[in-house]
Amino acid sequence: GNSVTQMEGPVTLSEEAFLTINCTYTATGYPSLFWYVQYPGEGLQLLLKATKADDKGSNKGFEATYRKETTSFHLEKGSVQVSDSAVYFCALKPGRRALTFGSGTRLQVQP
Amino acid sequence: NAGVTQTPKFQVLKTGQSMTLQCAQDMNHEYMSWYRQDPGMGLRLIHYSVGAGITDQGEVPNGYNVSRSTTEDFPLRLLSAAPSQTSVYFCASSTTFRDRGHEQYFGPGTRLTVT
Repeated sequence: GNSVTQMEGPVTLSEEAFLTINCTYTATGYPSLFWYVQYPGEGLQLLLKATKADDKGSNKGFEATYRKETTSFHLEKGSVQVSDSAVYFCALKPGRRALTFGSGTRLQVQP
Repeated sequence: NAGVTQTPKFQVLKTGQSMTLQCAQDMNHEYMSWYRQDPGMGLRLIHYSVGAGITDQGEVPNGYNVSRSTTEDFPLRLLSAAPSQTSVYFCASSTTFRDRGHEQYFGPGTRLTVT
């Protein structure tokens, strides 16, 4: 079956530090991959996506590259801000089927 | 566009009561789904639909019913509420076509407490 594994949190960083949140997946076929962000008390917002191998998704300074050979989609940002504090979810979508989510990683950025 | 809307935002039920969580989208998306979010467990799929008149079960369907009579609406019914159904419920919609991105758009959520 399909599954997504994310690094456990919380991840606590100082402002302007480099961020990596690891995500690996198991899936049949060629799923699309996504990162969603959830700010406190809100729903999920799409952060970035990649629909095929070697694609790089990017948005708001965040990047992730679809690595088929390592079945990974790690999220990175060069310099985090306090406003990036949120829960980040990695997810995959195999064709017409539903999204499968990882368990989420809480990021806390301290001033 | 309003996107995906959900009502109510908050609800408290007693054990055994029934209710319907409403979800609507105005993006003409074929695909709609319901998730529940529990602490430390990410989001788990309850039911989904790939078009009007077509629904299917997700990972945790027991205790919930859905129907899809129109493209826009996808209500979730709790038949007989139980404390284990205390959760935050999210509705989502998307196209089903990869070349249109098919990312899911989420509603703001309904926080349900069953006592």
